[in-house]
Amino acid sequence: GAGVSQTPSNKVTEKGKYVELRCDPISGHTALYWYRQSLGQGPEFLIYFQGTGAADDSGLPNDRFFAVRPEGSVSTLKIQRTERGDSAVYLCASSLTGVGQETQYFGPGTRLLVL
Amino acid sequence: DQQVKQNSPSLSVQEGRISILNCDYTNSMFDYFLWYKKYPAEGPTFLISISSIKDKNEDGRFTVFLNKSAKHLSLHIVPSQPGDSAVYFCAARTPGAGSYQLTFGKGTKLSVIP
Repeated sequence: GAGVSQTPSNKVTEKGKYVELRCDPISGHTALYWYRQSLGQGPEFLIYFQGTGAADDSGLPNDRFFAVRPEGSVSTLKIQRTERGDSAVYLCASSLTGVGQETQYFGPGTRLLVL
Repeated sequence: DQQVKQNSPSLSVQEGRISILNCDYTNSMFDYFLWYKKYPAEGPTFLISISSIKDKNEDGRFTVFLNKSAKHLSLHIVPSQPGDSAVYFCAARTPGAGSYQLTFGKGTKLSVIP
């Protein structure tokens, strides 16, 4: 079946601009996660959705970052007033919920470059 | 302070031999551990996992061992194949109501030499 998809695959923007990154999870997965991976690092947690609600947004670095999942499926990560330090690969993952459903499946990521 | 550490940034192994990738963690509350494999320009691909209540899980050529007292886990690949060459990430899950976030190590780049 189809895996997690993310668009765009690459995004180049200028400092101060607004960007939106989209994630389409595996069909039927109620849990959705956003991570950010900088060069030479492992992915770092940003936010977790259970259904439509953000159950844990403790990883968002500041209030320029916001994410939504209005219908419990597709999610959008929004970054306002982008800074050069926001350049990274933004990864989305989804999973089922419940005991034995712990595996998170990742999409290919969106490579964001802020000039 | 890194809660999940992969102290070897790289590892080279001859084809057909065993590859052993190591991971240490500091948070005794982690309840689930996963290994992911990542090729360049792709997202991490799930490989194998283990619950904190077990000490071993095997899937084909891949075996993960967990030593809770030492807060250490390892991934064994045998026999190693050139297609196994990739970056391997160890990840640990934080339990608790409302959060199932994964904490990742920095990764180990495995090169399997034909």
